Amino acid sequence: QQQVKQSPQSLIVQKGGISIINCAYENTAFDYFPWYQQFPGKGPALLIAIRPDVSEKKEGRFTISFNKSAKQFSLHIMDSQPGDSATYFCAASIRYTGNQFYFGTGTSLTVIP
Amino acid sequence: DGGITQSPKYLFRKEGQNVTLSCEQNLNHDAMYWYRQDPGQGLRLIYYSQIVNDFQKGDIAEGYSVSREKKESFPLTVTSAQKNPTAFYLCASSKHSGGYTFGSGTRLTVV
Repeated sequence: QQQVKQSPQSLIVQKGGISIINCAYENTAFDYFPWYQQFPGKGPALLIAIRPDVSEKKEGRFTISFNKSAKQFSLHIMDSQPGDSATYFCAASIRYTGNQFYFGTGTSLTVIP
Repeated sequence: DGGITQSPKYLFRKEGQNVTLSCEQNLNHDAMYWYRQDPGQGLRLIYYSQIVNDFQKGDIAEGYSVSREKKESFPLTVTSAQKNPTAFYLCASSKHSGGYTFGSGTRLTVV
């Protein structure tokens, strides 16, 4: 059973556009929601993370929106650039009971010039 | 610089052979994890360890084994019982309540 569901599987965006990736979860005990960025042949790197006591977190061009009642969170990439082309994973965890991360299945983002 | 190192980067395994993937971290993280990545399936947890000399099975532990004799090291052995071992293997570490730091991965291919 997939604990975290991610969509879309792939996304193509024009340079300068907004990329939006969505994730949904069921377990209301989750209290940490990170996003990871992975380039081909490399390990994922932490991009941005949010805790459920806030509805939005912004770091540069990357924003997480969090909707606790809908059990959904999303990553918005503003002014998308070709260098943003990568696979993005959302995840969820319960920090103080083992910190096991449950990952979404990933979104392959391509930003075309 | 602190980080997590996986070796080798590429590994080839013959049928019926056991192979061991290395994972070393100098971040002083307590917890370490092994994930398998296949196209279209995201990251699947193989084993994890929260303290030295203790580890737990993840979702796909069959055909794999681990040890945690030192805080810094968490090697993964892919045994001959793993029938489809070709994949990209990722090691990660974390403090007990923090984000994961991943290594650069090992690509294992059966020949």
